[in-house]
Amino acid sequence: DTGVSQDPRHKITKRGQNVTFRCDPISEHNRLYWYRQTLGQGPEFLTYFQNEAQLEKSRLLSNRFSAERPKGSFSTLEIQRTEQGDSAMYLCASSPSGFWVGYTFGSGTRLTVV
Amino acid sequence: QKEVEQNSGPLSVPEGAIASLNCTYSDRVSQSFFWYRQYSGKSPELIMSIYSNGDKEDGRFTAQLNKASQYVSLLIRDSQPSDSATYLCAVTDTGNQFYFGTGTSLTVIP
Repeated sequence: DTGVSQDPRHKITKRGQNVTFRCDPISEHNRLYWYRQTLGQGPEFLTYFQNEAQLEKSRLLSNRFSAERPKGSFSTLEIQRTEQGDSAMYLCASSPSGFWVGYTFGSGTRLTVV
Repeated sequence: QKEVEQNSGPLSVPEGAIASLNCTYSDRVSQSFFWYRQYSGKSPELIMSIYSNGDKEDGRFTAQLNKASQYVSLLIRDSQPSDSATYLCAVTDTGNQFYFGTGTSLTVIP
């Protein structure tokens, strides 16, 4: 296991279409996070899983966004009815339990909505 | 709303010099502090973590934390062109979510 894996690396979609991204965390990490980053900004928190339980979700997150982590392994992030404002880098990160450790980020999925 | 402030830069230093990056945060209950390096078009990479007041050194990097002043900094000694990147400061209280600054762009001039 060489790190956090995200798929696809790039996604171009037309406005109004649904998209789904996948994240495979480091196998021994039970915490999984999704962040979104736009140009010139730091990553912005979207949601957090501990094992299969979604424990936190950003209040800024539209109800068009949904995330799952069945069986506490990989996670998917779905965006329904995409808008141009959804264009961003979507970053997945994982960490072991213990708030004193930092995240390991995946390579990200760059979404472009046209 | 927890805020993390960083000077956006760009910060330019000559090769071999010390680069100093600063970060302030608004939430006094923040417990853990991190510095990430992000190359253009890449994802952030963790380079330093610090939890207690004082200095923490790791190779050419030194993180400094002052909780009373709500201030954390990163010093890069003997800066190299490969250090040219954006440096993100992140803080957390529970670890459930990290709050990131907008980053400081560093350019090391050969």
